[in-house]
Amino acid sequence: EPEVTQTPSHQVTQMGQEVILRCVPISNHLYFYWYRQILGQKVEFLVSFYNNEISEKSEIFDDQFSVERPDGSNFTLKIRSTKLEDSAMYFCASSGVADSTDTQYFGPGTRLTVL
Amino acid sequence: AQRVTQPEKLLSVFKGAPVELKCNYSYSGSPELFWYVQYSRQRLQLLLRHISRESIKGFTADLNKGETSFHLKKPFAQEEDSAMYYCALAGRGKLIFGQGTELSVKP
Repeated sequence: EPEVTQTPSHQVTQMGQEVILRCVPISNHLYFYWYRQILGQKVEFLVSFYNNEISEKSEIFDDQFSVERPDGSNFTLKIRSTKLEDSAMYFCASSGVADSTDTQYFGPGTRLTVL
Repeated sequence: AQRVTQPEKLLSVFKGAPVELKCNYSYSGSPELFWYVQYSRQRLQLLLRHISRESIKGFTADLNKGETSFHLKKPFAQEEDSAMYYCALAGRGKLIFGQGTELSVKP
């Protein structure tokens, strides 16, 4: 069964550095998402992406964040200048449609640690 | 405001006991609700969604619009049910999650 994959599984970086988190969505899916989960807190929506542009973003997704689909398979989340509070698990998800009834399939997550 | 509340952080039961994981939501409109499960060190997986009305791994959930609830139930818990359970509300293509409830099933 096809799965969403994410790399790396764990990223450690210094405050102020740029990081790029990578995701490979399920191949025939058209809608892509990033969520994050700070330790001990709920999973929070960051951004959704369709047809090479952002569909919706949360207030967390400020100018420090950007997303890109650089080729036909990868979907990336870039954090330009990391802060301590960016430390979290970042989950990528994809779905066939953005209809609210469609299932979003999640990747295993990337644990980002900002020192 | 769209919100999902799971009041219990941890629920501990013995094997064979009934389980109910609570979920309440706030949404103006017709809600689409899901339960996701996360087993230890694994990804979030869809357990069930209210529109399909399926029973997965013995779990069921009924949408109660009057009480704005979508509680997850299983009549006889198994040790392999131990996991984190997240209730989620779909709104405009994004999922809004509750805090999650950790279910621990003891032998």
